[in-house]
Formats: sequence, structure tokens, C-alpha cells
Amino acid sequence: SQQGEEDPQALSIQEGENATMNCSYKTSINNLQWYRQNSGRGLVHLILIRSNEREKHSGRLRVTLDTSKKSSSLLITASRAADTASYFCATVGNSGYSTLTFGKGTMLLVSP
Amino acid sequence: NAGVTQTPKFQVLKTGQSMTLQCAQDMNHEYMSWYRQDPGMGLRLIHYSVGAGITDQGEVPNGYNVSRSTTEDFPLRLLSAAPSQTSVYFCASSGQGGHYGYTFGSGTRLTVV
Repeated sequence: SQQGEEDPQALSIQEGENATMNCSYKTSINNLQWYRQNSGRGLVHLILIRSNEREKHSGRLRVTLDTSKKSSSLLITASRAADTASYFCATVGNSGYSTLTFGKGTMLLVSP
Repeated sequence: NAGVTQTPKFQVLKTGQSMTLQCAQDMNHEYMSWYRQDPGMGLRLIHYSVGAGITDQGEVPNGYNVSRSTTEDFPLRLLSAAPSQTSVYFCASSGQGGHYGYTFGSGTRLTVV
């Protein structure tokens, strides 16, 4: 079953604006990862945040994690048209082998 | 480096036919996985492997077989294709399991008619 649920399902913004996507999950995790998928392409790993971390930055990306609320957010600052893509959160659990459990994704459209 | 290579990119099958989706990685990764992506469903895990000779089932394994005879290759076999298996299939690999990010292939778009 799906572990994560992204919110919103779709987001449309103008270039230069910030985009925020949220992810909620159900069970305890080892880490949470965000991936980007351009239309018709494979997924690209963006950033990983571990369960003992609260915030992480990578370039224009900022990820937060609140394990008490079982939620994460991905902020893309100063969005560009090239950021147009679907964004997925994926969790890695604490038990068993380290496979990814994905949410359904957020479609981001950045208009010039 | 080529990363994760999937072949073919597109395939049309008739119901009942069998086929193998190929996946190869050149990064010496131990962990490999197969996912299917359906509209509105995100990605769901079919089978995974934590090393040569070791495979296990994921969330949606029915109708699919895998084997892992080498570190590099992780083929996915459809035994008797059904229209419900129409999907986009992604192979992914990681050197440290989920403790670091996975590298994904570009996908195989499969249509079963």
C-alpha cells in the first residue's frame, strides 16, 4: 500500500515564486527521500533526510521532516520553468530491507 | 557511466504472451528493484534483490518473476501478460539500499492488448 501522500496533487505557479509540496506517511521511517520525474522520464533522486534530522538544504531545495506528525515538506525557491515535473516522496522503513515506498506525487507546473 | 539501462523502451504484447524486461547497472550496486507506475498510483514495488542470488517480493508481485544471477543484471519476466499489466516499469539500483538514493532507469512502457 502507498506509504506517503503528497499534497497538493497539482500546483501551478509563476517563475520566480516558491513551490511547497507536502508529504505525509503512516509508519515509522529510517529516512525520507524526494524524487523528481520529468514527463516521460525516469525518477531522479533530489534529497534524503534521515529520521534524526529536521531540516536539510541542497541548492534551491529545502526539506523539513516532522516525525511526530509523520510529515515532510519540500520547498523549491525561485522556481524556474525547468522545475516543471512531478515530485514524489518515498520512505524507507526501519524493518527489513531498505526498499522505497512511494507516494502518489505532486505535479508542479512553473509558467514563464 | 551508463547508470541503469532498461530495454526495451516500448513494447506491445498480446494477452497471454510472455516477455522479459531487461535491467542492467554498471555501478556495482547490490540493491536492485522493479517498480510499476500507473496513473494516479505512484510507483509500486514488484520485486527486489539485495544481492546476486537473493530476491524477494514487493507489494505487487503476482504475474512477475525475477532472478539475479549477477550483480549487474536484474531481469523481470512476465509469465502470461494480462491487460492489467499495462504500465510503465522502472528498474532502480542503490549501493546502500534505501540509506542513500536510488538511481532509476528511464523505464519501459508496456501495453498489453
